[in-house]
Amino acid sequence: NAGVTQTPKFRVLKTGQSMTLLCAQDMNHEYMYWYRQDPGMGLRLIHYSVGEGTTAKGEVPDGYNVSRLKKQNFLLGLESAAPSQTSVYFCASSPVSSNQPQHFGDGTRLSIL
Amino acid sequence: RKEVEQDPGPFNVPEGATVAFNCTYSNSASQSFFWYRQDCRKEPKLLMSVYSSGNEDGRFTAQLNRASQYISLLIRDSKLSDSATYLCVVKRGGGADGLTFGKGTHLIIQP
Repeated sequence: NAGVTQTPKFRVLKTGQSMTLLCAQDMNHEYMYWYRQDPGMGLRLIHYSVGEGTTAKGEVPDGYNVSRLKKQNFLLGLESAAPSQTSVYFCASSPVSSNQPQHFGDGTRLSIL
Repeated sequence: RKEVEQDPGPFNVPEGATVAFNCTYSNSASQSFFWYRQDCRKEPKLLMSVYSSGNEDGRFTAQLNRASQYISLLIRDSKLSDSATYLCVVKRGGGADGLTFGKGTHLIIQP
């Protein structure tokens, strides 16, 4: 019963490097989300997707790109990593119904040096 | 006014006590409400949805007051394992991006 799986769990990057975070869900959910969580800031939405092939910007999209080529996968890319992107990244998914909660992956801890 | 506001705490409560905390939201058009629990360095997990008539799940009771725009969470007979951060979550509409998370209330249950 995997739910939402994120890879990798931890990563250290140097400024300017690029990387991709992978999120996979096995619940057949239409909606998928990427958040970042920083101390004192709470969860902030980076990008989200309402279905395969569609993506949209959230509250803090700059410096990130996303793709949803398959319904079960949602990828978050950092084009040129910056120290300000040091954070914990959470992926989530939910069904279409508006009153359904989101289910979260266990997070990726990313440090940019 | 922030969209979703919570007292960050920490609330230090002795084991066995009852504790309650509130969350206020600014958008009167908000439609769905949830409490999530987040343990240190872990992902948020759904604790319970909040319904208009109020609802209970074991030791936990959630209430919604639409007129005053707040939701509350009551924990009875608190356990050491209840120590966590409790996130208030409000959904303002049917769209996928309408979910807003509070910054959380930190609860510490002391033996």
